[in-house]
Amino acid sequence: EAGVAQSPRYKIIEKRQSVAFWCNPISGHATLYWYQQILGQGPKLLIQFQNNGVVDDSQLPKDRFSAERLKGVDSTLKIQPAKLEDSAVYLCASSLLAGELFFGEGSRLTVL
Amino acid sequence: AQTVTQSQPEMSVQEAETVTLSCTYDTSESDYYLFWYKQPPSRQMILVIRQEAYKQQNATENRFSVNFQKAAKSFSLKISDSQLGDAAMYFCAYRRWSGTASKLTFGTGTRLQVTL
Repeated sequence: EAGVAQSPRYKIIEKRQSVAFWCNPISGHATLYWYQQILGQGPKLLIQFQNNGVVDDSQLPKDRFSAERLKGVDSTLKIQPAKLEDSAVYLCASSLLAGELFFGEGSRLTVL
Repeated sequence: AQTVTQSQPEMSVQEAETVTLSCTYDTSESDYYLFWYKQPPSRQMILVIRQEAYKQQNATENRFSVNFQKAAKSFSLKISDSQLGDAAMYFCAYRRWSGTASKLTFGTGTRLQVTL
């Protein structure tokens, strides 16, 4: 069974530029999560989708972050414009409704 | 809001020895799940063990076991016969019980070093 796929693995940008991360969850998983993991900290939920609807985006900085999950499968997380404090690993995870979360390898963002 | 606290930023254990990682949490819910996740340097989170709050029996997975103290809101992980491959960040996580999916709330992690 294929796991959660994320790309790109690494991205370096200048502050005020934009960046997009892509996630392909495990086939059949209705729930998709985006987490932000700053160095030395535990992952923090940014947004949770159930199919293509948003369940929780309370900690998403909506002035600069956006996410979508078209057709309830793939998802894209965008940051525009990026700030220095956005440097982090962005983790995507998926699960069946209330089952175990499976994580991707993450996308490491460095903002200079 | 639920919070998860891991008070040990780093731990070290010798190969073949036993180590215990600590975790406390705060919640007003009575039904929930607790997890330990392992994150090797490659960064992919892997589930180590899970515990349902309604179960009194402590979960065990091979060399990994937990000590779940519901009243004290404590959830420690014991790794027996430590191996070099156990070296990683370990995160304790909480998940509210729900008929639909709910998010994981993570602690800040404990970095485990395994020495020869």
